[in-house]
Amino acid sequence: AQSVTQLGSHVSVSEGALVLLRCNYSSSVPPYLFWYVQYPNQGLQLLLKYTSAATLVKGINGFEAEFKKSETSFHLTKPSAHMSDAAEYFCAVSELETSYDKVIFGPGTSLSVIP
Amino acid sequence: GVTQSPTHLIKTRGQQVTLRCSSQSGHNTVSWYQQALGQGPQFIFQYYRKEENGRGNFPPRFSGLQFPNDSSELNVNALELDDSALYLCASSLGYGQSDTQYFGPGTRLTVL
Repeated sequence: AQSVTQLGSHVSVSEGALVLLRCNYSSSVPPYLFWYVQYPNQGLQLLLKYTSAATLVKGINGFEAEFKKSETSFHLTKPSAHMSDAAEYFCAVSELETSYDKVIFGPGTSLSVIP
Repeated sequence: GVTQSPTHLIKTRGQQVTLRCSSQSGHNTVSWYQQALGQGPQFIFQYYRKEENGRGNFPPRFSGLQFPNDSSELNVNALELDDSALYLCASSLGYGQSDTQYFGPGTRLTVL
């Protein structure tokens, strides 16, 4: 069965520091992987997605993630944190291309940016 | 963009509730998610051109409708305390993973 774990429910970084949010998944077949961001009182916004093309995926707002099959990981990074990056981040996995009922979200990581 | 109404809603146990979503123009697919406090969203179901084409692990008292005018509804009967959550709808052009889902801001439902 699919599952997603996000190590660290809360992560704090200083402004300008590296952001690293961890995501590990389990899937019996090559997955589709996603990172979403949720700002307070807003819906989810897609940051980036992996669909079996390049293993390094670049997204919006300077974020990128690397798919590592051997580690079953899809960690999200940003070289330099900005105050506006403070939000909740969700990793998600989907196995089938045409079935949304296979999308599983992780529990989320709350990112705080310290000035 | 995707809009949802109402923003907040308070109901009592046993009542029925209807949540509304307005999809992005031209999108054929709408999906509904339940997000309990402190958790990630859980897929409820998806509608493609007015037909349900996918459902998560939710009982039949959760039902939906999709209308031709880019609007849709989530109906929940016999509300339970555990139904308290943020309900998100998302629209997309198709239903494959290559189609980006655009989320609304959600409706916060509180069941007392």
